[in-house]
Amino acid sequence: DGGITQSPKYLFRKEGQNVTLSCEQNLNHDAMYWYRQDPGQGLRLIYYSQIVNDFQKGDIAEGYSVSREKKESFPLTVTSAQKNPTAFYLCASTGLNTEAFFGQGTRLTVV
Amino acid sequence: EDQVTQSPEALRLQEGESSSLNCSYTVSGLRGLFWYRQDPGKGPEFLFTLYSAGEEKEKERLKATLTKKESFLHITAPKPEDSATYLCAVQSPRGGAQKLVFGQGTRLTINP
Repeated sequence: DGGITQSPKYLFRKEGQNVTLSCEQNLNHDAMYWYRQDPGQGLRLIYYSQIVNDFQKGDIAEGYSVSREKKESFPLTVTSAQKNPTAFYLCASTGLNTEAFFGQGTRLTVV
Repeated sequence: EDQVTQSPEALRLQEGESSSLNCSYTVSGLRGLFWYRQDPGKGPEFLFTLYSAGEEKEKERLKATLTKKESFLHITAPKPEDSATYLCAVQSPRGGAQKLVFGQGTRLTINP
């Protein structure tokens, strides 16, 4: 079955620690995205990538980093510079003229 | 700046009580308006795409409509399993990217 896989489902981060969230897709989509969702708020764009080895900052990129070395993979690193990282993180992908497909999310909690 | 506003923030209905959710938007050059359903702790699930004013799409008890300034998601005779958060998003060519701008969602609860 084609789809987007995010891992882990739950992640706990200690103060000052970097953590990496995984996102893999087998839909052969060119574009991939990372969103952050906080309670009572809509999805906010962190980073997006339209092709391999290229990515752009979204609306809330500070404290995050990404890479796009393979078409299928778009990992997100939450760095210690992100002061309020506790949130639900969603990865999505789109093909040419298709809607966005989402993964099942990673819930990150600072402990 | 592209903006999407959804109303109401929360809606509680009795089973079988029809209603509508609103999505107002401002965007330069709308490429598409999307409706998603999101269950707690899950990723959004695609429902509809609308491209031009006057367009309508239906799926089971849901019907989405689009005007030049807003979209409605009509729910007819809802059932408890329709309870979820419904998200609206718009896509514009701003910056040359296929970025989606989301509203904050409407949390719908259907009581049996």
